[in-house]
Amino acid sequence: GQNIDQPTEMTATEGAIVQINCTYQTSGFNGLFWYQQHAGEAPTFLSYNVLDGLEEKGRFSSFLSRSKGYSYLLLKELQMKDSASYLCAVRDASGGSYIPTFGRGTSLIVHP
Amino acid sequence: GAGVSQSPRYKVAKRGQDVALRCDPISGHVSLFWYQQALGQGPEFLTYFQNEAQLDKSGLPSDRFFAERPEGSVSTLKIQRTQQEDSAVYLCASSFSYSGTEAFFGQGTRLTVV
Repeated sequence: GQNIDQPTEMTATEGAIVQINCTYQTSGFNGLFWYQQHAGEAPTFLSYNVLDGLEEKGRFSSFLSRSKGYSYLLLKELQMKDSASYLCAVRDASGGSYIPTFGRGTSLIVHP
Repeated sequence: GAGVSQSPRYKVAKRGQDVALRCDPISGHVSLFWYQQALGQGPEFLTYFQNEAQLDKSGLPSDRFFAERPEGSVSTLKIQRTQQEDSAVYLCASSFSYSGTEAFFGQGTRLTVV
């Protein structure tokens, strides 16, 4: 199975940049996802990395290093609405079923 | 439909009662996942379908939990003889491809067992 670790909580200031880290251990890595989840709502897809490097999408970027079992989500120009939980999920294809396993999530609080 | 739809949104059950939670995935999505999410935690995998076939049910916590997707579209998660520890949000997600590059989640069913 996977062992996924991410910080429980982070705080940042509106307009700033924040980096949320995720480390994982898996036997059949087949992709890493980042989801955003506001309280009481469904997780929404942010990014997907399967190859090493940086994927940029607007204010959000995601980085992956497969050799280090490490990813980060970078949020720029923070807005108050970015206050949410950020979930790192790793997919393991070793069993053939391509199931994403989620970390506990990082609760990001953006303050003025 | 436009998105993944789950019903009911909220369910209060007395301990020992049976419940059935419904998931309508996005039309044409072959992969369907059920997750259980406790407050302040990430979603925990329960079971996975590829069309009508249940390929993985290793996450179901006990034999009181049962899921089906008989025609490869709508899925039902059934919990028999509910217990307080079953209280959680139950999330359904679907994906277009077999490898499930991007999964879309429903808003979940919040189950409270009293």
